[in-house]
Amino acid sequence: GNSVTQMEGPVTLSEEAFLTINCTYTATGYPSLFWYVQYPGEGLQLLLKATKADDKGSNKGFEATYRKETTSFHLEKGSVQVSDSAVYFCALRPQLYNFNKFYFGSGTKLNVKP
Amino acid sequence: EADIYQTPRYLVIGTGKKITLECSQTMGHDKMYWYQQDPGMELHLIHYSYGVNSTEKGDLSSESTVSRIRTEHFPLTLESARPSHTSQYLCASSESITREDWTYEQYFGPGTRLTVT
Repeated sequence: GNSVTQMEGPVTLSEEAFLTINCTYTATGYPSLFWYVQYPGEGLQLLLKATKADDKGSNKGFEATYRKETTSFHLEKGSVQVSDSAVYFCALRPQLYNFNKFYFGSGTKLNVKP
Repeated sequence: EADIYQTPRYLVIGTGKKITLECSQTMGHDKMYWYQQDPGMELHLIHYSYGVNSTEKGDLSSESTVSRIRTEHFPLTLESARPSHTSQYLCASSESITREDWTYEQYFGPGTRLTVT
């Protein structure tokens, strides 16, 4: 079946530190992969996406590369800011079967200290 | 910017009351979804719709019901609220043009925080 596994949080970093949040997935074919961000009291916002192998999604300094060989889509940022404190969700949309459903990881909370 | 709206944003209500959470989108999306988000942040799909007059139950059993009479509107109703329904409810929608549309993302509303006392 389809599933997403992401690293448990919370992750606590100092400002300007390097961020990695791991995400691996299980799916047949070539699913689309997404990272969403949720700020306190709000809904999820799309941060970036990649729709085929070796694609790199990027936005606001965040990057993630679609790695088919390792079934991974790790989120990275070179220098985090306090304003990046939020919950991050990795998600996939299957290419085959159930392609109208989205599968989410359990979320990783990021705390950035000044 | 996503054009998907949820009302109310916050609701505190007593046990046994009937409530309806509203969700509307102005993007003309066929697919709409309701998620329940627990305090641990995990999202649970409780209902979805592929178009007008089409609704399905999601992966998490829920005592709520939904309707889809218009493309833009997907309300969720609880006939008799209980404290166990206390949660954050998120509505989402997704575009669907062709069968090969798995590249499209979901757009989320701001959520409704429901507290049942």
